[in-house]
Amino acid sequence: GAVVSQHPSRVICKSGTSVKIECRSLDFQATTMFWYRQFPKKSLMLMATSNEGSKATYEQGVEKDKFLINHASLTLSTLTVTSAHPEDSSFYICSALGQQNTEAFFGQGTRLTVV
Amino acid sequence: DQQVKQNSPSLSVQEGRISILNCDYTNSMFDYFLWYKKYPAEGPTFLISISSIKDKNEDGRFTVFLNKSAKHLSLHIVPSQPGDSAVYFCAASAEGTASKLTFGTGTRLQVTL
Repeated sequence: GAVVSQHPSRVICKSGTSVKIECRSLDFQATTMFWYRQFPKKSLMLMATSNEGSKATYEQGVEKDKFLINHASLTLSTLTVTSAHPEDSSFYICSALGQQNTEAFFGQGTRLTVV
Repeated sequence: DQQVKQNSPSLSVQEGRISILNCDYTNSMFDYFLWYKKYPAEGPTFLISISSIKDKNEDGRFTVFLNKSAKHLSLHIVPSQPGDSAVYFCAASAEGTASKLTFGTGTRLQVTL
């Protein structure tokens, strides 16, 4: 399958700071990427759809000003958690839609801890 | 509102036997379904998918069955191997593709020797 790389895998930041998470499709072009969040012992929840060259589409209840998404190229989408709070601590995972749209390939995930 | 449910949080199966993981959904708009395998602190790995126009899809040791009338799908792994031990998530989309997935809560499979 295709490779999606997510960086960093783990980050600890102070309350009030911003953190940027990168998601790259390494061997294919991804016009559409997705950002998910997983709470402890819960399922993955879709946060937003990231479209190359246009604004992201956010799911209901997700603050777009807090979770900034940029998809500036066909291989890179970034998620910036702004003014992070401890309740933003979570596991964030990106995925990229395969070229035939029948598969979504996931990154390794980022464990964010806000202290 | 959990639209995709995996009612068994865990399952233990002996090596060589069949593992059957179940998934139920409530949203009749879902038309594409996928199974993923996940290890701790890693992203999900795609296993197999099925479109709502089919009722079965097979790939090696993995077979997915879809019963649309019951809004139920299952993943069969046969024969089960110790390396199959992981958390399995079913996911569904209403886009006819792997877009905007709604995930189940996962089933932890343990394959014992």
